[in-house]
Amino acid sequence: AQSVTQPDIHITVSEGASLELRCNYSYGATPYLFWYVQSPGQGLQLLLKYFSGDTLVQGIKGFEAEFKRSQSSFNLRKPSVHWSDAAEYFCAVGLVGGYQKVTFGTGTKLQVIP
Amino acid sequence: DGGITQSPKYLFRKEGQNVTLSCEQNLNHDAMYWYRQDPGQGLRLIYYSQIVNDFQKGDIAEGYSVSREKKESFPLTVTSAQKNPTAFYLCATRLSMNTEAFFGQGTRLTVV
Repeated sequence: AQSVTQPDIHITVSEGASLELRCNYSYGATPYLFWYVQSPGQGLQLLLKYFSGDTLVQGIKGFEAEFKRSQSSFNLRKPSVHWSDAAEYFCAVGLVGGYQKVTFGTGTKLQVIP
Repeated sequence: DGGITQSPKYLFRKEGQNVTLSCEQNLNHDAMYWYRQDPGQGLRLIYYSQIVNDFQKGDIAEGYSVSREKKESFPLTVTSAQKNPTAFYLCATRLSMNTEAFFGQGTRLTVV
């Protein structure tokens, strides 16, 4: 069964510092990969997605992620964090070729300090 | 204005009562999903539906029921058989297979 691991439950960074959120997946084939962001009490918003092609994908709000097949990873990065980036971030993996579930990691809560 | 509407945003119920959460979409998406979110556990799939009049159980379907009589609507009923119903419930849609999921704003259910 597919699974997603986000090893960091909480991360604190200073405003203006760089950010990397880790995501590892377990799946028997090439999956679809996603990063979502959630503000407290809200739904999830898609930041970026990887389906195929270029392994470095650009998303909204200045985020990017790199798919590394050899490491089964899809880490999210941002060169300079803004206070408004404080939120919870979820990595997710989807099954190619079907409507079946998208599996989510347990999330990483980002705190930004001034 | 296209989107996914979940209502109500907050819902309180007494233990032992059934309650129905609404999810309506005007995106013309084929697939609809219900997820449950608990702190530290990510999102867990309850049910999903690919087409009208068809739905499949997810990982934690026990104590829940759904219907898909219209493409736009996918209501979730939390029954008295659900042991720990207090949670944040999220509805999502997908245009077709191999596309990303879009989420509603969620319903927070509290059972007292």
